[in-house]
Amino acid sequence: GENVEQHPSTLSVQEGDSAVIKCTYSDSASNYFPWYKQELGKRPQLIIDIRSNVGEKKDQRIAVTLNKTAKHFSLHITETQPEDSAVYFCAASSGSARQLTFGSGTQLTVLP
Amino acid sequence: DAGVIQSPRHEVTEMGQEVTLRCKPISGHDYLFWYRQTMMRGLELLIYFNNNVPIDDSGMPEDRFSAKMPNASFSTLKIQPSEPRDSAVYFCASTWAGTEAFFGQGTRLTVV
Repeated sequence: GENVEQHPSTLSVQEGDSAVIKCTYSDSASNYFPWYKQELGKRPQLIIDIRSNVGEKKDQRIAVTLNKTAKHFSLHITETQPEDSAVYFCAASSGSARQLTFGSGTQLTVLP
Repeated sequence: DAGVIQSPRHEVTEMGQEVTLRCKPISGHDYLFWYRQTMMRGLELLIYFNNNVPIDDSGMPEDRFSAKMPNASFSTLKIQPSEPRDSAVYFCASTWAGTEAFFGQGTRLTVV
């Protein structure tokens, strides 16, 4: 089955700096890679996703890149703000069901 | 639509008791997923349904766990008998094929 590894497990940045979180996956059939943000005590919420036919996608301060050959994808957050502080999860899935295999999560702390 | 609705939000039960968690997916969604979140194991998929039919239950940890989806608007996850190591947050999510997965608020289960 799919295995997703995520690094780092914790990340602290100064407000205004950029944050990068990296994930690798094992199943070459995976074709959908979402990123979820989870605030303390709340549900995971999708912030951006990318499909395997695209190498990069951007939405305002958030971007995701995908390298299918190397089987890794990354989340980039620019101009970080304190409200970006949360746990971020990467995930991968194949097929139309969208059953997700999650990475272990990254606790991002943005210091004011 | 009110989103994915789970009940109860919190459940405290004694070891050995039966626990039933409930989920109402978003109307029109044809996939329903049950995930479990713990500090040790992160977010892990337990089982998922397509059009009310269980497709993959390989993530269900033991025979003590069972899930049903009697109709398109309701699913249950039952643990019988419950054990302290079952303590976790259980999330239900739903999706329409090809779109993002929406998570419910989760049920925080504590087995004492």
